[in-house]
Amino acid sequence: GDSVTQMEGPVTLSEEAFLTINCTYTATGYPSLFWYVQYPGEGLQLLLKATKADDKGSNKGFEATYRKETTSFHLEKGSVQVSDSAVYFCALILPYGNNRLAFGKGNQVVVIP
Amino acid sequence: DGGITQSPKYLFRKEGQNVTLSCEQNLNHDAMYWYRQDPGQGLRLIYYSQIVNDFQKGDIAEGYSVSREKKESFPLTVTSAQKNPTAFYLCASSKGDSYNEQFFGPGTRLTVL
Repeated sequence: GDSVTQMEGPVTLSEEAFLTINCTYTATGYPSLFWYVQYPGEGLQLLLKATKADDKGSNKGFEATYRKETTSFHLEKGSVQVSDSAVYFCALILPYGNNRLAFGKGNQVVVIP
Repeated sequence: DGGITQSPKYLFRKEGQNVTLSCEQNLNHDAMYWYRQDPGQGLRLIYYSQIVNDFQKGDIAEGYSVSREKKESFPLTVTSAQKNPTAFYLCASSKGDSYNEQFFGPGTRLTVL
């Protein structure tokens, strides 16, 4: 079935470093893709989305491009801040017509000053 | 401000007791969802509802029950049949038409003593 895979393990990096979090998907058709962010003790917030191939979603300095040929939607930010420390989830909409989402397991990002 | 509210933020329950988690939205969304989040496991769908007076089981519905008597409200009851109920519970909503992102509440952390 349709699913999302995120790279294993937490990501620890220094302030102003470049961040990449990998996300690949398996899907029938061409699902809409999302990145959500979860700050400690809070719910999820939509960070960005892309609805078709080659679309680039962007927000708060984060970017992700919908790559149909590699079935990927990697998240990138050129210069991270301590305030970017959070858990990041990649997700896709399942093709059932009810907006059900399939989530990756999430990646904890820790930015050190 | 439009949004989703969940209450309480922290909830403690003795083993063998049922407990109900509240979720209210004023976004005029047709669809609502309940997720369970455990460390390292991402989000798993418990129940969802696309319209009032109708709901469907998600991937881990056993030991849970829901109702959808009003468009704004989608309470979740964690019953004593749920073997491992300690978790972080997230409610979400989305517009009724397909391929719309979900908006999340702040979550309720349930601890069974």
